[in-house]
Amino acid sequence: GNSVTQMEGPVTLSEEAFLTINCTYTATGYPSLFWYVQYPGEGLQLLLKATKADDKGSNKGFEATYRKETTSFHLEKGSVQVSDSAVYFCALTTNSGGSNYKLTFGKGTLLTVNP
Amino acid sequence: GAGVSQSPRYKVAKRGQDVALRCDPISGHVSLFWYQQALGQGPEFLTYFQNEAQLDKSGLPSDRFFAERPEGSVSTLKIQRTQQEDSAVYLCASSASERGTQYFGPGTRLTVL
Repeated sequence: GNSVTQMEGPVTLSEEAFLTINCTYTATGYPSLFWYVQYPGEGLQLLLKATKADDKGSNKGFEATYRKETTSFHLEKGSVQVSDSAVYFCALTTNSGGSNYKLTFGKGTLLTVNP
Repeated sequence: GAGVSQSPRYKVAKRGQDVALRCDPISGHVSLFWYQQALGQGPEFLTYFQNEAQLDKSGLPSDRFFAERPEGSVSTLKIQRTQQEDSAVYLCASSASERGTQYFGPGTRLTVL
């Protein structure tokens, strides 16, 4: 089956610090990989995605590279801001079994950025 | 344009009561999904509609859970005879196509006492 394991939080950083949130996966078939973000009181929003090996997804200063050899999709940002405080979810879909729409999520990582 | 909306945002039910949760997808989105998010966990897939057809209900945890989308737009997730383990946030998402980006609503937080 499919599963996503991400770094447990909470993660607390000071503004302008470097961020890494680790994510690894197991998948049947060829996965597409996603990072979703959930700001306080809001719904999940797609942050970035990558659909094939070695692709890099990027958005709002965040990046993640699809590493097939290590089955990883780690999220990074060079300089975090207070406004980045949120819960981050790593997720995947696969092209196996005819259910390529079904998102499988990790447990989420709470990031708090202090001024 | 408006995003996905869900109502109510919060629902408290006594054990054994029936509840109905509503989802209004983005206009024109043919695909609609329901997910359940327990406290401290990531969302888990419940069911998928393409227009009015429920193509996948493999994630529904029991026959007390029922979802419908009769006109291919608004969807309702119904839980009969609620149990404490049903307490969770229920998320609805829609997309323009089956494999398109899923846009999530804010969720309905259900608490069963």
